[in-house]
Amino acid sequence: DTGVSQDPRHKITKRGQNVTFRCDPISEHNRLYWYRQTLGQGPEFLTYFQNEAQLEKSRLLSDRFSAERPKGSFSTLEIQRTEQGDSAMYLCASSLDPPYEQYFGPGTRLTVT
Amino acid sequence: AQSVTQPDIHITVSEGASLELRCNYSYGATPYLFWYVQSPGQGLQLLLKYFSGDTLVQGIKGFEAEFKRSQSSFNLRKPSVHWSDAAEYFCAVGARTNAGKSTFGDGTTLTVKP
Repeated sequence: DTGVSQDPRHKITKRGQNVTFRCDPISEHNRLYWYRQTLGQGPEFLTYFQNEAQLEKSRLLSDRFSAERPKGSFSTLEIQRTEQGDSAMYLCASSLDPPYEQYFGPGTRLTVT
Repeated sequence: AQSVTQPDIHITVSEGASLELRCNYSYGATPYLFWYVQSPGQGLQLLLKYFSGDTLVQGIKGFEAEFKRSQSSFNLRKPSVHWSDAAEYFCAVGARTNAGKSTFGDGTTLTVKP
């Protein structure tokens, strides 16, 4: 088991462009989470999946953000029409159901110029 | 709604000294509680967790934490700090009724003096 992986590790994009991030969870984990982390803050919950079903989405998540988890395996997070305020570290985590302890990937650092 | 407060933004300790990082949570019932560590440029690593039972929990790297219901606290301790412990530490609370969704504190940065 290689842990949670995320791709890419770094992404620089121009304002207005669309970006997509990928997360591969630990293979037997059925829950997958996305968080956003800005400098000096703790991770902020964005959304999570149980298998392929998206069970909750943060009210802070604008309509420009969408996440999918086809077939309950890897997940993608897409941000459309990026804004400078989207610059952050995007973290993915996975867990079993229960005990719910989350294992985090290394994150994707997004910079919007 | 659940919330977490880590009162200390930055703590500096000498190598070999003891450490205590504070965490206070707000939640209507007994939550799941976690401590994570994050080194620069790295993801979060789980240090320890509390679900139920013994209120003193042991974790990796010699860390322990004590759940105190009366104080709504889950403080992290280590008897002797090593230089490699310098990192950012996050406390998190998870709701049992919305299992898995965690709310994090803003973290405490630990600096270790030689």
